[in-house]
Amino acid sequence: NAGVTQTPKFRILKIGQSMTLQCAQDMNHNYMYWYRQDPGMGLKLIYYSVGAGITDKGEVPNGYNVSRSTTEDFPLRLELAAPSQTSVYFCASNVAGGSYNEQFFGPGTRLTVL
Amino acid sequence: KNEVEQSPQNLTAQEGEFITINCSYSVGISALHWLQQHPGGGIVSLFMLSSGKKKHGRLIATINIQEKHSSLHITASHPRDSAVYICAASYFGNEKLTFGTGTRLTIIP
Repeated sequence: NAGVTQTPKFRILKIGQSMTLQCAQDMNHNYMYWYRQDPGMGLKLIYYSVGAGITDKGEVPNGYNVSRSTTEDFPLRLELAAPSQTSVYFCASNVAGGSYNEQFFGPGTRLTVL
Repeated sequence: KNEVEQSPQNLTAQEGEFITINCSYSVGISALHWLQQHPGGGIVSLFMLSSGKKKHGRLIATINIQEKHSSLHITASHPRDSAVYICAASYFGNEKLTFGTGTRLTIIP
């Protein structure tokens, strides 16, 4: 199993550009999550999904969009990138909700918006 | 409000020392998670516990539900233990985790 994979590893964007961060898992997990990690701050939840076709907002959803058309994939879309979106983005998944199961994390995408 | 606080923020110790990292939370939880983030950035889950104590190799995690407090201990610390250790809380009926800000541990040879 590859686990949770993310692409790209690094990206520099100009203000106003758009991009999609890719996330895939091969563990047949129902739940998937997108987090951002800013220096000195805890991981913040952007969006999550409890299954294909179902997504919901987390703590910091503004400026992002997601879709979940398959169990395996959970892409995160940034529209009109802003410097405040400079961060490290992690995708994670687990079998069921966080209460009962450990989350498996991808390697992260380091995004800089200039 | 669900809050998770860790201490210390930074910890430097000599190889071989016994390490303790603390985590406190504000409301009742369903489970407390300990995660490790290596300098390369990857995050792995170390423990998930809702009561008592768990042990894996030189790592031990404990939780006191009444005091809303958990500790992560490392025995015979080694430079390869240098990482950021993160605690996170999950709550009944809630799919989401609330994360602490992490403790940066540096073990000096």
